[in-house]
Parts: sequence; C-alpha cells; structure tokens
Amino acid sequence: DAKTTQPNSMESNEEEPVHLPCNHSTISGTDYIHWYRQLPSQGPEYVIHGLTSNVNNRMASLAIAEDRKSSTLILHRATLRDAAVYYCILSESPWDAGGTSYGKLTFGQGTILTVHP
Amino acid sequence: GAVVSQHPSRVICKSGTSVKIECRSLDFQATTMFWYRQFPKQSLMLMATSNEGSKATYEQGVEKDKFLINHASLTLSTLTVTSAHPEDSSFYICSARNRGHNEKLFFGSGTQLSVL
Repeated sequence: DAKTTQPNSMESNEEEPVHLPCNHSTISGTDYIHWYRQLPSQGPEYVIHGLTSNVNNRMASLAIAEDRKSSTLILHRATLRDAAVYYCILSESPWDAGGTSYGKLTFGQGTILTVHP
Repeated sequence: GAVVSQHPSRVICKSGTSVKIECRSLDFQATTMFWYRQFPKQSLMLMATSNEGSKATYEQGVEKDKFLINHASLTLSTLTVTSAHPEDSSFYICSARNRGHNEKLFFGSGTQLSVL
C-alpha cells in the first residue's frame, strides 16, 4: 500500500484556518486521497476525499498538488470541536474488474490537532 | 448521513471466554465491512475485510481462528473474539462501505474490550 507522511502534531487557535499537510510521493494513478478524523474513544469520521481535483465540502477543503504527491486538508475556521487526530490515507478504487469490493483503508499515525481557545 | 451502529460499546470479560461484537449498517447496504483494532495512543490496525456472503480476508498476522468474522447479510457483520486473553484487550472498530458511496467508509463508534 502507498504510504503517507504527516506531522505528528499541529496547533491552532480557534477561528483561525488550519492547513494539515500530507505527503504521498509513491501515490499511484488510481489511488484516492482520503481524510478521516478521530476524536478520543470514538470511531473515525469521514472528512473528505479526492482523486485529482481540489474538493470542497461543508467540513473542509482538500487541495491536491498537481503531481498528486502531496495534499493539504484545510479547515477554514477551526473550532474546539475540530481537535482530533487527522488521518491522511490512500486507497485504490473500491471496485475491481470482477466487481469485488476492496479499497481498504490503511491508517498511518496521523496528525494530532490541538485547538486553543 | 449513513449510520453504522456497533455494540456493545464496552465489554469486560474473563480470560478464556468468547465475546461477540456486532456491526450494523442502519440505513444502507454494506457490501464490504472492515474490522480494525486500536491500542492506546496508536493508530488503527486493519484486521480483516469481509464481503457479504463470502469468507473474510484477514491481514497478515491476524489469527482467523481467534477472530471469527461473519458477514451474513448486507447490514450485519459480527466479530467474535474466541478464548479471549488479556492481550486481546483493545478498542475494536468496524466500518462499512455504502454501496451507493463507493469511496467513503462509515465507522462504528467502537467497542472497548477488557479481558481480565
């Protein structure tokens, strides 16, 4: 599986933007870039995903480098509830030619985001 | 949004007993479910992948006879930890892929297993 590299931790102040970087230099052409986050004692929560183009949703934006070897998750205005471990993950498209679903997600260590009031 | 229900949320058992954890997709059909394990202050480790109606595929190093996975329907998968020992104490998390949202995974809230 292609691997990702993230900083161990980052800090931000409330209501300021946060840019969480992720390097994935060995990404293949069919790998999707996913971001999930996990609060203590909870299961991960989907944040956003993309393939080539930048993506926006109500939670965040995903900026993907032109060569796809890195990406950045952008939280436009951090809140205290955004404090979590953020995981950047690569996965293949979930469907192979035979129709069997795969596309498992292999989690790395993630970035611990601390948000200060 | 899609909801994955996992229970129990917490279980304490004696060494040598078996524990079953259920994972249900409440409002969608889950073609694939994944089971993860997470130790304190560590990341999630994928244990196995299960597709409805077929045998689970286990990751290297995960004992299939110890961690029994059943995915009998499109909305239910179970993980049974057989003959549990203290080293099996961990946070177990299931996730499911919605047939209509192929790239996105939905996660359960996890089960904290403590084996005495």
